[in-house]
Amino acid sequence: EDQVTQSPEALRLQEGESSSLNCSYTVSGLRGLFWYRQDPGKGPEFLFTLYSAGEEKEKERLKATLTKKESFLHITAPKPEDSATYLCAVSSNSGYALNFGKGTSLLVTP
Amino acid sequence: DAGVIQSPRHEVTEMGQEVTLRCKPISGHNSLFWYRQTMMRGLELLIYFNNNVPIDDSGMPEDRFSAKMPNASFSTLKIQPSEPRDSAVYFCASSIGTGGGNTIYFGEGSWLTVV
Repeated sequence: EDQVTQSPEALRLQEGESSSLNCSYTVSGLRGLFWYRQDPGKGPEFLFTLYSAGEEKEKERLKATLTKKESFLHITAPKPEDSATYLCAVSSNSGYALNFGKGTSLLVTP
Repeated sequence: DAGVIQSPRHEVTEMGQEVTLRCKPISGHNSLFWYRQTMMRGLELLIYFNNNVPIDDSGMPEDRFSAKMPNASFSTLKIQPSEPRDSAVYFCASSIGTGGGNTIYFGEGSWLTVV
């Protein structure tokens, strides 16, 4: 069975303090690893898809990387508006839908 | 383009009542998913439709839950009778293709409270 574990559960950063969120996964044949952002009271918003080890994608202050066992979401010089819950999900050969981790709640203070 | 549209956004109901949640997927998307989100269990897949046909309903918790997709632009999730433990946020999502590797786009959710 696919497993997705995100760490830390919560992270508090000062504005400008760079850090990384971790997503460890175990799947039977990875078809894609997805990162979403979820704001309070909203649905998950798609950020990135990574398909193979070594792949990287960037969007503004966010950069996602992928290895055979984990993915990192690097946040460079974060701003308060980056505060949200970041969800990692995998799609594998064993299913049709995305299997989500429980997320990392990020708070960036001024 | 309009995203996934869900209604109602918020519902408070009494235990034992019937609850119907509605979803309009993104036009052109042929895969539709219902997820449930709680603090304890995170996001869990309830059911997956492809081309209006239920493909995987193994996540539906009990017979009290049922879902339909009568056409490509509408789906419902029904809980009858509702119980307090059904309180959660229910998300509808859609994608192009048969899922698996394709990006899934979520609605804003239906916040259900059963008292």
